[in-house]
Amino acid sequence: NAGVMQNPRHLVRRRGQEARLRCSPMKGHSHVYWYRQLPEEGLKFMVYLQKENIIDESGMPKERFSAEFPKEGPSILRIQQVVRGDSAAYFCASSTGPSSEQFFGPGTRLTVL
Amino acid sequence: DAKTTQPNSMESNEEEPVHLPCNHSTISGTDYIHWYRQLPSQGPEYVIHGLTSNVNNRMASLAIAEDRKSSTLILHRATLRDAAVYYCILRDVGDSSYKLIFGSGTRLLVRP
Repeated sequence: NAGVMQNPRHLVRRRGQEARLRCSPMKGHSHVYWYRQLPEEGLKFMVYLQKENIIDESGMPKERFSAEFPKEGPSILRIQQVVRGDSAAYFCASSTGPSSEQFFGPGTRLTVL
Repeated sequence: DAKTTQPNSMESNEEEPVHLPCNHSTISGTDYIHWYRQLPSQGPEYVIHGLTSNVNNRMASLAIAEDRKSSTLILHRATLRDAAVYYCILRDVGDSSYKLIFGSGTRLLVRP
């Protein structure tokens, strides 16, 4: 059973461009979480999604950030008009249910020039 | 904000047991105690969790104080692969999203 997959693993964008981060949960998992880790800091929760629904987006910045988890295909975290402060590692986790163990992907490391 | 307090770093010798403490004095009755660890350049990895009773699995043991205000993660024989940041996290079953709130964790260094 393949683990959580994230791509790309590394992404470089210039200020003002868009970044699209993809997360494929483990087989059978319908719950996806996104976390952000700034350099030398702990992970911060961003958003929790189930198929086609956003359950909790309390950690998402109010502007430029959006997330989706369509019925078919991976979950997408989209960052519009990136700024240098968006440079971080973005981790996706999946689970079979809200109270179950979360399995994390290897992360996408975003660098904004 | 994280509701747990952990030492910033700890050191251990290879093949020796390691006891990683965590204080959670404001824990509520619906909080489970979870431990995750993050190896360098990787995503976090689940280690163990418990509510009131001590727990054992193939990776570690979790000892929970009787008043639940503290807990200890026990690695019975540390290996170099156990060098990581260990996070003690409270998950509230009353929180509909069950999100993980990470603190700064304990960085474990293992000496050969």
